[in-house]
Amino acid sequence: DIQMTQSPSSLSASVGDRVTITCRASQSISNYLNWYQQKPGKAPKLLIYAASSLQSGVPSRFGGSGSGTDFTLTISSLQPEDFATYYCQQSYSTPQTFGQGTKLEIK
Amino acid sequence: QVQLVQSGAEVKKPGASVQVSCKASGYTFTGYYLHWVRQAPGQGLEWMGRINPNSGDTNYAQKFQDRVTMTRDTSISTVYMEVSRLRSDDTAVYYCTRGRPVSDAFDFWGQGTMVTVSS
Repeated sequence: DIQMTQSPSSLSASVGDRVTITCRASQSISNYLNWYQQKPGKAPKLLIYAASSLQSGVPSRFGGSGSGTDFTLTISSLQPEDFATYYCQQSYSTPQTFGQGTKLEIK
Repeated sequence: QVQLVQSGAEVKKPGASVQVSCKASGYTFTGYYLHWVRQAPGQGLEWMGRINPNSGDTNYAQKFQDRVTMTRDTSISTVYMEVSRLRSDDTAVYYCTRGRPVSDAFDFWGQGTMVTVSS
């Protein structure tokens, strides 16, 4: 199975900050990397697919980059509604696997 | 609009089975894989498997291979997931989710079904 490792596991930031979350795959996954946001008690929401493509309806302050084994999710200017948990996921091969999550908290 | 509507919460005893349904609407049911992902309380996301609603073909994660069965009924655009021989560590929210073409990213999600396994 492909292991996905996110860092950091938690992060404190302020409204307006620029934030970067990283995700590393245990082997090359080309660009089959997706990012999700999850708020408490809610289903995850797709933000970025294929490493860098913005899902319809997602604000442009969210951006993704990377290929192969190393990927990043960047939020250019944090808004109050962005405080949540973020997961990366590889869809290169089954079993599809998720990172352990990054909890983004208000400083 | 695309919707995935799941069945309601369940409470089961260890050793029992549970079936969760997921009814799709707003798109061509047979055109997209449907996946099941679970989340134990306070934990991360875990992929369980997927079904091709067109062919009925399935792929399961190895750890669920002998306890999970995914099926579909194309006449009512519904997929089902059954988990047998339930254990306390199967207590989780179970989500169905649709895979985008090509990337297979999960673009629409059901509301989740809480399954509690307790004696």
